[in-house]
Amino acid sequence: AQSVTQLDSHVSVSEGTPVLLRCNYSSSYSPSLFWYVQHPNKGLQLLLKYTSAATLVKGINGFEAEFKKSETSFHLTKPSAHMSDAAEYFCVVSVPYSSGGSYIPTFGRGTSLIVHP
Amino acid sequence: ETGVTQSPTHLIKTRGQQVTLRCSSQSGHNTVSWYQQALGQGPQFIFQYYREEENGRGNFPPRFSGLQFPNYSSELNVNALELDDSALYLCASSLVGRVLNTEAFFGQGTRLTVV
Repeated sequence: AQSVTQLDSHVSVSEGTPVLLRCNYSSSYSPSLFWYVQHPNKGLQLLLKYTSAATLVKGINGFEAEFKKSETSFHLTKPSAHMSDAAEYFCVVSVPYSSGGSYIPTFGRGTSLIVHP
Repeated sequence: ETGVTQSPTHLIKTRGQQVTLRCSSQSGHNTVSWYQQALGQGPQFIFQYYREEENGRGNFPPRFSGLQFPNYSSELNVNALELDDSALYLCASSLVGRVLNTEAFFGQGTRLTVV
């Protein structure tokens, strides 16, 4: 079984300051890890993904995340927050299903990023 | 816009009724997955269809069922609705069978309210 824990339900930053959204996971398999963003009244959008290649993953809009196996973490960072970054962010762990080649994704509960002017 | 469209956008049903939600996949995608997102929670995986067959299922009872059609559009059916089924239902499409190991494109969801 796998699980995802997003350590903060809300993160509040000022525009131009760094962003850190924390995610820890547990998995019996070597996982694939993702971050998705959900803006109000819009669909989920993939920010970045880790699939056992480089441990530092770069995504869209200046976001990046580092896979740390020893800490079972996959924290999302951005050097400088922008007002448009205000949204809900989801960490996702995905492991192989028992058959068929498909993967079962597990979403975290989400972190709401608030950006102040 | 992702090209994944869901209908209807909002729906109100009575407890015990049945509901069908629809999803039109992005052009060229052969895999569709469905998620339930309760208020204040992350999406929960319901199931996935690849080339018209279910090939992955989360922890949902059998009254949640689905179909994928030859044109890769999809339906989610829920029988015997319960109040706890009230949620945002999301559909996502992708190109291959591994739903989140290639990028999945999400629709904007159907907001279901059960009264």
